[in-house]
Amino acid sequence: DAGITQSPRYKITETGRQVTLMCHQTWSHSYMFWYRQDLGHGLRLIYYSAAADITDKGEVPDGYVVSRSKTENFPLTLESATRSQTSVYFCASSPGDSGNTIYFGEGSWLTVV
Amino acid sequence: LAKTTQPISMDSYEGQEVNITCSHNNIATNDYITWYQQFPSQGPRFIIQGYKTKVTNEVASLFIPADRKSSTLSLPRVSLSDTAVYYCLVEGLYGGSQGNLIFGKGTKLSVKP
Repeated sequence: DAGITQSPRYKITETGRQVTLMCHQTWSHSYMFWYRQDLGHGLRLIYYSAAADITDKGEVPDGYVVSRSKTENFPLTLESATRSQTSVYFCASSPGDSGNTIYFGEGSWLTVV
Repeated sequence: LAKTTQPISMDSYEGQEVNITCSHNNIATNDYITWYQQFPSQGPRFIIQGYKTKVTNEVASLFIPADRKSSTLSLPRVSLSDTAVYYCLVEGLYGGSQGNLIFGKGTKLSVKP
């Protein structure tokens, strides 16, 4: 049971570069989410998706782009990375059919220099 | 969306019972209450979920009073391995914008020997 996987796990990039973080889930969950977590802080929702081809903004969407052409994939793109986007990024998914149990990936550590 | 308030941090000693309370004054009728645990460098993981009264599993208990404006996560006889950040999440059944799942800052629990 692979669950939910993120790649890359660790990435260093330069300011201004485009970076894409991948997220793949094997459960066919309807909902997928991207959160960022800065050192010593809580989780902040970037974008979420209720189904393929349906995405919506969360708390902090500026500077990020998402797509969901297939149910199992939810990539997050930083179009022009900035130092303030240095963070840990967590992808998550949920069946969304009852309650709100969310399953998180292991995180992607991104450093923008 | 029901906003939650938790203590920023708590300290405890091994073997003690720990109770973490979350306030959610504007909880809606169809909202569930879910608690997540996050260890350093890992994604949050589900601990327990409830709608009303008391729920118990092998890890914790969740107490919800009749007015549902707060909830208390109870960890019996904590050990050093329970040191983590605990998040309370309140959200209704999915549908439309209800995928906008906002985590608060969480409660950092430190268990000492």
